[in-house]
Amino acid sequence: DVKVTQSSRYLVKRTGEKVFLECVQDMDHENMFWYRQDPGLGLRLIYFSYDVKMKEKGDIPEGYSVSREKKERFSLILESASTNQTSMYLCASSPPFTNSNQPQHFGDGTRLSIL
Amino acid sequence: DQQVKQNSPSLSVQEGRISILNCDYTNSMFDYFLWYKKYPAEGPTFLISISSIKDKNEDGRFTVFLNKSAKHLSLHIVPSQPGDSAVYFCAAIKGFKTIFGAGTRLFVKA
Repeated sequence: DVKVTQSSRYLVKRTGEKVFLECVQDMDHENMFWYRQDPGLGLRLIYFSYDVKMKEKGDIPEGYSVSREKKERFSLILESASTNQTSMYLCASSPPFTNSNQPQHFGDGTRLSIL
Repeated sequence: DQQVKQNSPSLSVQEGRISILNCDYTNSMFDYFLWYKKYPAEGPTFLISISSIKDKNEDGRFTVFLNKSAKHLSLHIVPSQPGDSAVYFCAAIKGFKTIFGAGTRLFVKA
């Protein structure tokens, strides 16, 4: 089974702090994704990566950046945390986009609170 | 503008009966449609998918129906079980992009 592991289940940070969310997958997947989940809005894509050192903006990249130095690890960075970034953050991975119906495999999420 | 809509935030069903979860989409260019299930404190897990060239796909108690003319997707669970209580997300894929609906919370009462 694919395992996607997010480093923290719960995180509390202060406004203005630089925040790092880490994600590791063990299935050698090319694609990795960061979403945030908010009530009534579903999952919204922040960034994704289709290869090491490659990244593409999703629908809501403002205020975030990402890093993918190794294939198995994808980090989400909040450059200067703000209260509107309080949310559930979900990391996912999947095989290459050549097979469009390949589902994404998700971690258990990080609930981030910015005070 | 939400391209994938789940208009019912919640649904309550008696154990043993059918659960029908609905999803509407606006873009006729989607290639695949998927349903994910999410339990509290866990990430979403893939449940079932359907290609845009099909109108039905079945896997055990779960069946997904696609009505392309109406741009409507539904998930049928028969018979419903208490363990099916979860949030269900509809998702649509076009190329590298997966777009998720807001989710429907299903309660199956014993």
